[in-house]
Amino acid sequence: SQQGEEDPQALSIQEGENATMNCSYKTSINNLQWYRQNSGRGLVHLILIRSNEREKHSGRLRVTLDTSKKSSSLLITASRAADTASYFCATDPSGNTPLVFGKGTRLSVIA
Amino acid sequence: EAQVTQNPRYLITVTGKKLTVTCSQNMNHEYMSWYRQDPGLGLRQIYYSMNVEVTDKGDVPEGYKVSRKEKRNFPLILESPSPNQTSLYFCASSLDGGGSYNSPLHFGNGTRLTVT
Repeated sequence: SQQGEEDPQALSIQEGENATMNCSYKTSINNLQWYRQNSGRGLVHLILIRSNEREKHSGRLRVTLDTSKKSSSLLITASRAADTASYFCATDPSGNTPLVFGKGTRLSVIA
Repeated sequence: EAQVTQNPRYLITVTGKKLTVTCSQNMNHEYMSWYRQDPGLGLRQIYYSMNVEVTDKGDVPEGYKVSRKEKRNFPLILESPSPNQTSLYFCASSLDGGGSYNSPLHFGNGTRLTVT
């Protein structure tokens, strides 16, 4: 069952620009997580934001969460070619239920 | 080093020949899960396990079996593989299911399976 849906599906930007990806979900959540996947590799956890938090930062990453709109955004500032990857949001629809992943946003950062 | 180890990395097999993909984690995690990833379909959960001897179906369990006899291992078994099971498979683990305890998932590097 697909809970989160990322937008856009694909994004291409120049190195140094900011990249913004969005995630919308359907039901109430306890937390929302963002993951990165380099081509063909396992997903790597980036950041977790709880339902009672509105914004979180980690290095060049900024995540916001709007529970009233059931949406989250991931901002990568001053992007680098190494940021080229697919980015997934994952939601926990209710306590003790496994995470559900979206289909991802494919980000290309051109040097 | 804390990690989730899957083997093999690549596997080519024929229809109907039973196979097992192994998954092991060294982080003493309670929760383990298998996903398959297909173009345009994203990550879909096959089976998961909240603890030893406890397994549950995910979104796409048909054609797969799992077992959780020990905490660290969670093998994925395809009793009679078919071409529609050609996919990229990932094992993942976390302290809990990512729910109220807010634990991130740790992923293995994947197993690319081709069934001809």
